[in-house]
Amino acid sequence: DVKVTQSSRYLVKRTGEKVFLECVQDMDHENMFWYRQDPGLGLRLIYFSYDVKMKEKGDIPEGYSVSREKKERFSLILESASTNQTSMYLCASYQVNQPQHFGDGTRLSIL
Amino acid sequence: GESVGLHLPTLSVQEGDNSIINCAYSNSASDYFIWYKQESGKGPQFIIDIRSNMDKRQGQRVTVLLNKTVKHLSLQIAATQPGDSAVYFCAESHTGGFKTIFGAGTRLFVKA
Repeated sequence: DVKVTQSSRYLVKRTGEKVFLECVQDMDHENMFWYRQDPGLGLRLIYFSYDVKMKEKGDIPEGYSVSREKKERFSLILESASTNQTSMYLCASYQVNQPQHFGDGTRLSIL
Repeated sequence: GESVGLHLPTLSVQEGDNSIINCAYSNSASDYFIWYKQESGKGPQFIIDIRSNMDKRQGQRVTVLLNKTVKHLSLQIAATQPGDSAVYFCAESHTGGFKTIFGAGTRLFVKA
């Protein structure tokens, strides 16, 4: 089975801090995604990557950046955390025309 | 714009009954559809998928129906169990595309 692992289940940070969320997948998938999930808004795509060192903006990239230095790892970076970035963050990976596989999420609180 | 939506935000069923969760999609170009289950504190988990060249696909206790004429997707769960209590999402994409559009989700409650 595909395993997508997010480094932290819960994280509490302060406004203005630089925050790193890490995601690793073990199935050699080309494509990786970062979403945020908020009540009533569903899953919103922040960034995705279709290859090492390649990245594309999703629907809500403002305030975020990403890094994909290795195929198995996709990092989400909050450059200067703000309270409106408090959310559940979900990482996913997949091969095209197959379903996405998700990690268990990181619940991030910005104080 | 493109959207995938669900008709009901919550659904409550009696244990042992069948559940039907509905979804509408708006992008005619979508040709791949997926249902996910998300339990509390976990990420979405793949349940079943269907491609546009089919109108029905069955799994273990689950069936997905696709009606391309009215752009409607449904998930049927047979003999619903307490462990089926979760939020269910539909999602759509198209062949060769990178992006998947997710619905907002329906919360299924199973009454013992």
